[in-house]
Amino acid sequence: QVQLQESGPGLVKPSQTLSLTCTVSGGSISSGGYYWSWIRQHPGKGLEWIGYIYYSGSTYYNPSLKSRVTISVDTSKNQFSLKLSSVTAADTAVYYCARIEWRWYYFDYWGQGTLVTVSS
Amino acid sequence: EIVLTQSPGTLSLSPGERATLSCRASQSVSSSYLAWYQQKPGQAPRLLIYGASSRATGIPDRFSGSGSGTDFTLTISRLEPEDFAVYYCQQYGSSPRLTFGGGTKVEIK
Repeated sequence: QVQLQESGPGLVKPSQTLSLTCTVSGGSISSGGYYWSWIRQHPGKGLEWIGYIYYSGSTYYNPSLKSRVTISVDTSKNQFSLKLSSVTAADTAVYYCARIEWRWYYFDYWGQGTLVTVSS
Repeated sequence: EIVLTQSPGTLSLSPGERATLSCRASQSVSSSYLAWYQQKPGQAPRLLIYGASSRATGIPDRFSGSGSGTDFTLTISRLEPEDFAVYYCQQYGSSPRLTFGGGTKVEIK
């Protein structure tokens, strides 16, 4: 059973960089056939896809966030990471990592989510 | 950009009733790339349906999906107490490549 777990600071100051890591267990990121993704959910709101990465390092980002987002992968640690720069209060949200099945592009496994608050 | 509009925003029903949720796309979506999720408070979304009509592993058969083009439907044939939640549709396609609908809340009447 694949499991994903987000980790990182729960509080980030405005203008700083939000950094989160997703640790994958029960399966290898390097096995292929899946993309590894970040999604966020503003409090009481819907879901917003941020971007995804393949184990090879190729990425695709939501154009609305592309200028501020970097997603990277560390196959040796079976982890992938999110960096979001120049954050504001509008970036306060629950951040989820999830796996995308590459043929049908659905999210089949999700982390539990982590709340990140942007505040001074 | 493909926008997914879900309706109604809230559906008030009683256990045992049938729920019909709509997801309308601003442009045609390949049926292969339309999925539905259930989210309960404080939890991550759970995949219910992919490919517009295929149930994910472990999903009860009271959940069914249908539709094509720009109109898709999630049907819950008989609501169980654990089905009261928020439901999202999601598509893969042109930029921004992956989008979600705004959600439909199914609440107890």
